[in-house]
Amino acid sequence: GENVEQHPSTLSVQEGDSAVIKCTYSDSASNYFPWYKQELGKGPQLIIDIRSNVGEKKDQRIAVTLNKTAKHFSLHITETQPEDSAVYFCAPYAYKYIFGTGTRLKVLA
Amino acid sequence: NAGVMQNPRHLVRRRGQEARLRCSPMKGHSHVYWYRQLPEEGLKFMVYLQKENIIDESGMPKERFSAEFPKEGPSILRIQQVVRGDSAAYFCASSDAGGYSNQPQHFGDGTRLSIL
Repeated sequence: GENVEQHPSTLSVQEGDSAVIKCTYSDSASNYFPWYKQELGKGPQLIIDIRSNVGEKKDQRIAVTLNKTAKHFSLHITETQPEDSAVYFCAPYAYKYIFGTGTRLKVLA
Repeated sequence: NAGVMQNPRHLVRRRGQEARLRCSPMKGHSHVYWYRQLPEEGLKFMVYLQKENIIDESGMPKERFSAEFPKEGPSILRIQQVVRGDSAAYFCASSDAGGYSNQPQHFGDGTRLSIL
């Protein structure tokens, strides 16, 4: 079955700095790559996604890059703010969503 | 537009009782997914349903767990004879297209089930 790993598991950055989270997957049939943000007591919220025919997508301070050959995709957050503090999950899709184990991001004011 | 609605938000049951978790998908969505999340872990797929049909239940335990999505009303995840290991957060997601068409899923805020 699909094996999904996220790194790092925790990440602390100073406000204003950038954060990068990497997701590695094993199923070459994966063709859709979303990132979710989960705040305490809430459900995951889709923040950005990319499909397999695109290498990069940007939405304001958030971007996702995809390397299908190497089977990994990364979440980039620039100019981090305290409200970016949350747990982030990748969930590559190959006939079903397989969630990574999550990255806890702390943005220090 | 209302998002995915789950209720109750918190549910406490004693061992051996039944737990019923409800999920109303987003308006216009006819595909529902259930996930389980243990503390400090990611979400684990349990079951995918369309109206009146179970499409994929490969992640759901064969015993004590069942799910339905009737023609009218919310989707129900039912856990019979609950045990302490069933304590978790259960999330529902919905999409407007099938599970094999890689459409975004939208999540509710979950039901936190605690077993005494």
